[in-house]
Amino acid sequence: KAGVTQTPRYLIKTRGQQVTLSCSPISGHRSVSWYQQTPGQGLQFLFEYFSETQRNKGNFPGRFSGRQFSNSRSEMNVSTLELGDSALYLCASSPPGAGGDNEQFFGPGTRLTVL
Amino acid sequence: GESVGLHLPTLSVQEGDNSIINCAYSNSASDYFIWYKQESGKGPQFIIDIRSNMDKRQGQRVTVLLNKTVKHLSLQIAATQPGDSAVYFCAEDTGFQKLVFGTGTRLLVSP
Repeated sequence: KAGVTQTPRYLIKTRGQQVTLSCSPISGHRSVSWYQQTPGQGLQFLFEYFSETQRNKGNFPGRFSGRQFSNSRSEMNVSTLELGDSALYLCASSPPGAGGDNEQFFGPGTRLTVL
Repeated sequence: GESVGLHLPTLSVQEGDNSIINCAYSNSASDYFIWYKQESGKGPQFIIDIRSNMDKRQGQRVTVLLNKTVKHLSLQIAATQPGDSAVYFCAEDTGFQKLVFGTGTRLLVSP
């Protein structure tokens, strides 16, 4: 079974631009979560989607948004990029289960650099 | 790609030693805890999990201990190998797949 895939793997943008990152979950998984990883803040939860609905959201500004499609693939968007948005963005998928508390499988991440 | 902080606590062990990595969690209501391993350039990889109705769970060469009284988790790796060198994170699931991660511990295994 293929793992979680994320595209692109590396991205360079300039301040003020916007970016869209994509995540394809493991086949059959309906929950997709996004995390930001930086040296200073560590791994931080962005949001989680299940059946195209956002169920949970972390403490990030509105510039960070996401969506999930009917095939469970997910995208996240960051608008008006700032230098501090440079990070590794990780996507994780989980098998179906009521309320969560299921193992999350992580993709390799997208390395975003904002210049 | 870089996946670790600049000032992570580091545990250095010799190959064959047992390693113990500790973690404190914050939410006494959390009932699901996971240990992840992250190698350079990769996403976190699941090692072992434990639910709050247990205080110990064993896997292959790994054991997780949960002390709910003091909100403490530990990961024990038996007969540590060079391939175990990585950053290890504990995480608590606070609901609907929202994981709150610890700061991480870098494990260095010398041959």
